Amino acid sequence: LAKTTQPISMDSYEGQEVNITCSHNNIATNDYITWYQQFPSQGPRFIIQGYKTKVTNEVASLFIPADRKSSTLSLPRVSLSDTAVYYCLVEGNTPLVFGKGTRLSVIA
Amino acid sequence: KAGVTQTPRYLIKTRGQQVTLSCSPISGHRSVSWYQQTPGQGLQFLFEYFSETQRNKGNFPGRFSGRQFSNSRSEMNVSTLELGDSALYLCASSQEADRALNTEAFFGQGTRLTVV
Repeated sequence: LAKTTQPISMDSYEGQEVNITCSHNNIATNDYITWYQQFPSQGPRFIIQGYKTKVTNEVASLFIPADRKSSTLSLPRVSLSDTAVYYCLVEGNTPLVFGKGTRLSVIA
Repeated sequence: KAGVTQTPRYLIKTRGQQVTLSCSPISGHRSVSWYQQTPGQGLQFLFEYFSETQRNKGNFPGRFSGRQFSNSRSEMNVSTLELGDSALYLCASSQEADRALNTEAFFGQGTRLTVV
């Protein structure tokens, strides 16, 4: 199972762009990179998934370099409601394995 | 389209008792996974079912068991409850028609179990 490493916590002011980087040095060829968001006492919610280069949806962007050993989740213009824990996962032919995640606190 | 439904939402049990939690996946989803979340250990994988068969199992004692029915609904059971079993139990469903494809997992809101 590929292991991921991401910062434990981050703080940001409202309206700023937030970038959360995740390291996954042992990613396998067939693995995808997926990010989930979790609010307190709720289940995680899918944000974005990618394999290489850049993926963008209405919520976030995901940047993956050519070697795929890391990825960066970019949240544009965060608001207070983006305060949550963000998990980076490397998905292959195995169950989802969650690390500790990054606790993002957005400050007014 | 209804989301993943977990019942009950909250539960209080006494040490030594047993408990059964239920999960109804999104219609058409055949894969159901269970997770335990505690402040100290985070989200930990319990087991995964696909078409009524347990496909993967996490590192939990035999007191934790589960099953999946023909309609894809799943239950997990914890016997001889311990104080340390107090946690948020989350269920996730996905389509996974093809194991080689990576598909989004949809989580329920969880069942908050408190063991006293």
